[in-house]
Amino acid sequence: DTAVSQTPKYLVTQMGNDKSIKCEQNLGHDTMYWYKQDSKKFLKIMFSYNNKELIINETVPNRFSPKSPDKAHLNLHINSLELGDSAVYFCASSQAGRAYEQYFGPGTRLTVT
Amino acid sequence: AQSVTQPDIHITVSEGASLELRCNYSYGATPYLFWYVQSPGQGLQLLLKYFSGDTLVQGIKGFEAEFKRSQSSFNLRKPSVHWSDAAEYFCAVQGAQKLVFGQGTRLTINP
Repeated sequence: DTAVSQTPKYLVTQMGNDKSIKCEQNLGHDTMYWYKQDSKKFLKIMFSYNNKELIINETVPNRFSPKSPDKAHLNLHINSLELGDSAVYFCASSQAGRAYEQYFGPGTRLTVT
Repeated sequence: AQSVTQPDIHITVSEGASLELRCNYSYGATPYLFWYVQSPGQGLQLLLKYFSGDTLVQGIKGFEAEFKRSQSSFNLRKPSVHWSDAAEYFCAVQGAQKLVFGQGTRLTINP
C-alpha cells in the first residue's frame, strides 16, 4: 500500500491556467507538508498543515492555496500559473510534533509552457 | 536560522569504492540531522537520522553518518558503493516544525 500518494505524477499546462495537485496519506498522520523542488534540485518547504490547520506558510505567492478537507488529504491549488512555477512538488506527512520523521510522496512534476 | 550546506554538487565514484558525502549545518542548539536519498523519478527516502547519543549512526542500505559538533558536520559514508546507489542525496536539519534541506549531492557510479 502506498503511504503517501500524489496525483497527477506529471502535469503539463500553459501559463495563466489554474491547476490542482492532490495528496493523500494513509499513515494516520496529523501533519502534512508541501515542498517545492526547483530545477537545481533545491528542496524548500511551502506549507504545513496540522489537523487541517495551517501552521507554516513560507512566503509563498498567494496564487498557491493549500486546502485540507481532512487530515489525510492536503491539496495544492495554483492559480494563474507562471513559467517559474515549473518544478517538482512533493507532499509529505508526519505525526504531530515529529517533523523529523516525514514520509514523502513520489512527487508531481509540473511543467508550465 | 537553521541552514545546511552540501559543498559537493556532484560526485563520481567507481563501483566498489568508498564514499563520503559532506554536510555542514548551522543550528543554535543540538541539532536533529538527517540524510535522505532520492532515486531518479522518486520521492525522498530517509537513510538515517541523528538525535543524540552515539555520534556514529547506522542507516539503511549500508550507510552510516558521523556527527561532529566541533566541525558542525554530519558526513555520510559507505565503505563500498553499488551501482544502485546512484541518486541524489540530501542532508537536512530539523527547524521549527519543518525540515531544512541542503542543496543535494548527485552521486554517479562508474562501472
